[in-house]
Parts: sequence; C-alpha cells; structure tokens
Amino acid sequence: NAGVTQTPKFRILKIGQSMTLQCAQDMNHNYMYWYRQDPGMGLKLIYYSVGAGITDKGEVPNGYNVSRSTTEDFPLRLELAAPSQTSVYFCASSDSGSSGKLFFGSGTQLSVL
Amino acid sequence: KQEVTQIPAALSVPEGENLVLNCSFTDSAIYNLQWFRQDPGKGLTSLLLIQSSQREQTSGRLNASLDKSSGRSTLYIAASQPGDSATYLCAGYVYNFNKFYFGSGTKLNVKP
Repeated sequence: NAGVTQTPKFRILKIGQSMTLQCAQDMNHNYMYWYRQDPGMGLKLIYYSVGAGITDKGEVPNGYNVSRSTTEDFPLRLELAAPSQTSVYFCASSDSGSSGKLFFGSGTQLSVL
Repeated sequence: KQEVTQIPAALSVPEGENLVLNCSFTDSAIYNLQWFRQDPGKGLTSLLLIQSSQREQTSGRLNASLDKSSGRSTLYIAASQPGDSATYLCAGYVYNFNKFYFGSGTKLNVKP
C-alpha cells in the first residue's frame, strides 16, 4: 500500500546547489504531477507527464527539469537553487487526468539558504 | 487564466456545528472537481470527486456539490468534530489544459 512515495522529506540547499527530488508510484498511473505549495497559497503546477517519455510544463517550470523514463518514476531536478525555490514540493499521480482521483505523496520541504 | 477562490480562508467553530466551505472558479469550464483534506506537514488526501456527469457526491458526514453553470462548489460538513480540523482545498480539472487548478484552502478549527 505504498501509493506515491517522495524522498527526501526535508532538505536544506545552499544557493547554486542542485538536487533531485524523487517520486515513485506503484499504482500503474499514467499521469504524474509535480506541485509546489508556498505558505498560505494554493498548489502551483511545475511539470506534469501523461505517460513514460512524455512531459510538459505547468504554470511555474522555470528553474526545474523533469524526466519520465518509466511509468513508476517522475524525478524533479532543481538546477542552481535559488531562495525563491524554498517551498514544499508535492508529487501526485492519477490513472486518468480527466476523471481520476489525485493521489499525493507526503511532500518534500525544501529550504534554499 | 483560471483562478480559484476559497471562502472563508479560515473558520473556527464549536464541535457539533454544520458548516459550509465554498469554492469558486473564474472560468466555469471545469470538467471535474475534487475536495482534499490536508493535515499539517502532510500531503493531500482526496475526500470527494465529482465527475463531469455528476452534480454532487456524499461520503459519511461530507457532501460536495458542483454547479458548473456558475463555476461554484460547496463542501458541507455535518456535525463537525475536532478530528475534522485541517485545511480543505478544492481543485478543478480543466480538460483542455490537462491540469488541475487549486484553491488556497480553508483552514478549519473545530473546538471541543
């Protein structure tokens, strides 16, 4: 019953460092999403994927990159971290973009100092 | 651009009250709508999903409705309990854009 698994749970980066946030789901979902949530705000879509090998930008993609080589995994790469990327990051998956429930991971709290 | 507004932003009620949370979209072209619960430091848990052909969904003490013509949804919580304390978010799926648009949530506190 793993669902959507995100690692790490917490991370502190220095300005200019890079890192990859990992996301894996075991529900065979085609749709996967990366969101960021800033305090008191709604979720903003960073990138999404409708299947292995297919990715597309969301509302706030600058400073991030993704890949989707398998159905299960959807890592998010931060290049040259900036303080504006301090946020909580959530990965989510769905079996159908239009009619499926969204299942979320527990999030990664990232601070860039 | 789709904007999602949730009213109120915060709500504090005594245990046992019935309450209504509101969600509205600037563009009413919502294909489906979900309500989520978020506990502090945790991810989001889907509570109710209203599909495109539906107008409401019920689960236990929760009832959600969707009026597509006005772009509004409400979440009704009956006989609130302290365990209901959390942030509730709504999200609408816009078919042409393959994405969900989220509100910023209503933070609910139910006092014993």
